[in-house]
This record gives sequence, C-alpha cells and structure tokens, in this order.
Amino acid sequence: TQLLEQSPQFLSIQEGENLTVYCNSSSVFSSLQWYRQEPGEGPVLLVTVVTGGEVKKLKRLTFQFGDARKDSSLHITAAQPGDTGLYLCAGASGNQFYFGTGTSLTVIP
Amino acid sequence: GAGVSQSPRYKVAKRGQDVALRCDPISGHVSLFWYQQALGQGPEFLTYFQNEAQLDKSGLPSDRFFAERPEGSVSTLKIQRTQQEDSAVYLCASSLSPGTKGVQPQHFGDGTRLSIL
Repeated sequence: TQLLEQSPQFLSIQEGENLTVYCNSSSVFSSLQWYRQEPGEGPVLLVTVVTGGEVKKLKRLTFQFGDARKDSSLHITAAQPGDTGLYLCAGASGNQFYFGTGTSLTVIP
Repeated sequence: GAGVSQSPRYKVAKRGQDVALRCDPISGHVSLFWYQQALGQGPEFLTYFQNEAQLDKSGLPSDRFFAERPEGSVSTLKIQRTQQEDSAVYLCASSLSPGTKGVQPQHFGDGTRLSIL
C-alpha cells in the first residue's frame, strides 16, 4: 500500500522548460523527503522538509511542504538532461517510510 | 567504500529455490530498512531494524520472507520457495538515527535485482 500519490507518473520535456511534480496524501507526515533515483542505483536524498508551509531551494530545485503536512511539490526551473531520473517523495509514519508512486522525468537535449 | 553495499547485484533463481540477499550498512548506523521495488515504481517497505532488533516486519509479503541482523550490522533478507512474483529489486538503506523521527537521511545501496524463472 502506497499512501503517497505522485503526479504526473511520466514527464518528458525539452531542456530549458520548467516543471512541477506533486506528492499528495490523505495522511499527515512529520516530515517528507524527496529522492532522485537513476537506473541501477539506489535513491539519493535531495531534501527533507519538516515544517508545514516550508520552502527549500536547492539550486534550480524548489521544494514545498503543504501547510497541513499532507502534500509536497518539487519545482524544477530550466530543466537539464542531467535532471533525468525517477523522483520519489517519502514520508515517515511509525517505523516505516512510505514512498510515493514515483515520477519518471526525461529531459530531452 | 563508505556507502551501503548490497550483494549480489544480480540473482537469478528457479522457482522454488531459496535465496539470500546481503546488506552491509554504513558503519555505526543504527537503523536498517529493506524495501522491494518494482520497475518504475517507488520502493515498498518490507522491514525495519534498530540495531539487532527487528521492530517492524509488517511489510513482508508472506512467511516465505525472513530478515535478520544478528549483530546489529550486516543484514540478510532470505526468501524461501521463491515465486515469480518475488522478482524485483530489493533495496537496503541505513540511517544514523533510530526510527524514522528526525531528519537523518536514509543511505541506500544499489540494490539486488532478483529474477525468478
């Protein structure tokens, strides 16, 4: 059971375009993390957000945690081919981490 | 290296065979997680260890799945009488802090790709 739904599931864009990935849940999470995973490798942490309404920026990536701590978004400005990968949100509940359904991003040069 | 190491990277087994997957976490990391990941999907939680104690195994799909971490470091995920639906990538992650509280990141290995014929 995956409590976190991501949209879109697939995204193919041209280099230089902007995009937003959404991560939604009906559950409240104490924190949400965003990971990026490349083929044949494990996910790598991009950011952790812990406070409702929090916004964090990592170069061209902007992460936002919803006020109610049930949803999050990832916005990429001027996407580059190196941004290609599977983007995953993850939330903690009890002793488990729940991962989102994933967004596969392809940036075409 | 200093990261999480998983072995083997690839495992092919015939249906009905038993398999064992190994995870070497980062030294000193208290928490260890196992996940199952289908192609193009997010990882699904299997089980969690805090040191040698298995505190949560609610994600294990059946009693054919068994995990241990006897000395609080290396962990093994064993699957008995494998079925075709067990084919997936199995990921291991370790974290410095206990549980899921706080903001310590999970460090993932590159996974074991298991194929059941």
